[in-house]
Amino acid sequence: EVQLVESGGGLVQPGGSLRLSCAASGFTFSTYAMTWVRQAPGKGLEWVSTISGNGGATYHADSVKGRFSISRDNPRNTLYLQMNSLGAEDTAVYYCAHNLVTGDFFDYWGQGILVTVSS
Amino acid sequence: EIVMTQSPATLSVSPGERATLSCRASQSVSSNLAWYQQKPGQAPRLLISGASTRATGIPARFSGSGSGTEFTLTISSLQSEDFAVYYCQQYNIWPPLFGGGSKVEIK
Repeated sequence: EVQLVESGGGLVQPGGSLRLSCAASGFTFSTYAMTWVRQAPGKGLEWVSTISGNGGATYHADSVKGRFSISRDNPRNTLYLQMNSLGAEDTAVYYCAHNLVTGDFFDYWGQGILVTVSS
Repeated sequence: EIVMTQSPATLSVSPGERATLSCRASQSVSSNLAWYQQKPGQAPRLLISGASTRATGIPARFSGSGSGTEFTLTISSLQSEDFAVYYCQQYNIWPPLFGGGSKVEIK
């Protein structure tokens, strides 16, 4: 059974940093692209970042480019999202999601983790 | 830049009735269109990929159709557990993009 469990969220001040983690199990982690999707309170879904299975290719939405960095540790079956220079517009539930291939649909999702940017 | 538009924003339906949701792309996405269901406080769940292929474990009352720029998600007979928000997502053109969502509420 595929499981994705996010951690590392919480309250952070504007301009601060946070690193999210997503622990994966139930599939061969290194084979698949992985993605972060976020959802601001009461809003829709927004693609944030994607990383290829071997970590060699990363992609970020324009809204986070230069501030966020996606990475992965395949031996530890863990996905990361390093978030810097956070602003109120980054307040959202962040989901990690499994892709069959980069740029594909998302067939498994974690339960989500809330990031609140506020002073 | 591609735009995904879902309609209606809210659909009020009685249990047992049919619900039809629309998703329109501003340019062709071929059949690279997925549908998700999201209930309050939960993560999205994949319903449909390839415009019409149900994901594993999805009941047959959910069906998807369309190609190019016009897509439809039909729920043939609404059950109580189907009241939720539904999102479409195109994955034909980078980056992946979601529609704004359609809420199906109890009439």
